[in-house]
Amino acid sequence: EPEVTQTPSHQVTQMGQEVILRCVPISNHLYFYWYRQILGQKVEFLVSFYNNEISEKSEIFDDQFSVERPDGSNFTLKIRSTKLEDSAMYFCASSDGDTEDHNYGYTFGSGTRLTVV
Amino acid sequence: AQTVTQSQPEMSVQEAETVTLSCTYDTSESDYYLFWYKQPPSRQMILVIRQEAYKQQNATENRFSVNFQKAAKSFSLKISDSQLGDAAMYFCAYRRGRTERDDKIIFGKGTRLHILP
Repeated sequence: EPEVTQTPSHQVTQMGQEVILRCVPISNHLYFYWYRQILGQKVEFLVSFYNNEISEKSEIFDDQFSVERPDGSNFTLKIRSTKLEDSAMYFCASSDGDTEDHNYGYTFGSGTRLTVV
Repeated sequence: AQTVTQSQPEMSVQEAETVTLSCTYDTSESDYYLFWYKQPPSRQMILVIRQEAYKQQNATENRFSVNFQKAAKSFSLKISDSQLGDAAMYFCAYRRGRTERDDKIIFGKGTRLHILP
């Protein structure tokens, strides 16, 4: 079964450093998402991306965040200057956007645990 | 704005027994999808079951079934014959309807399910 792949599984970074979280969505999917889950809390939407641009972003997704699809296969989330409160699990997801197929095709990756120290 | 509420932070059930997890949601939309996701200790998000709002018939997947009450905006998950592997955090989630191809999923805060041997 096709998977969404995220790397690394765990990243530790110092406060103020830049990090890039990487995702490889399912190959025929067209819509891409990042979600965040602070430990013990609910999963929150960060951003959706379609046709090489952001479709929607949440209040969390401020100027320190950016997303990119650099090469047609990877989908990255960059945090420019990490803060302690950015420590969380970050999930990538992708969707084929086919609303006629009741499978919806919305698939999550296994997540990257980001620890900011 | 759409919201999803899970009022039970934790629940316990004896192995082989049946347990029901509650979820209510708020939306002004008439067409939408509802989901239950399972998050085991590995933190991966696993789709358990989904329900289209336009379908009156409750979805079932093996030991998992839902009780979808559209008028009451209620969407509970029933797990029959509970197994040790069912122990996890369960998230109820909502996604806007079929005319919107890409849209975020909104999660509840989760219910941690313990299975007692």
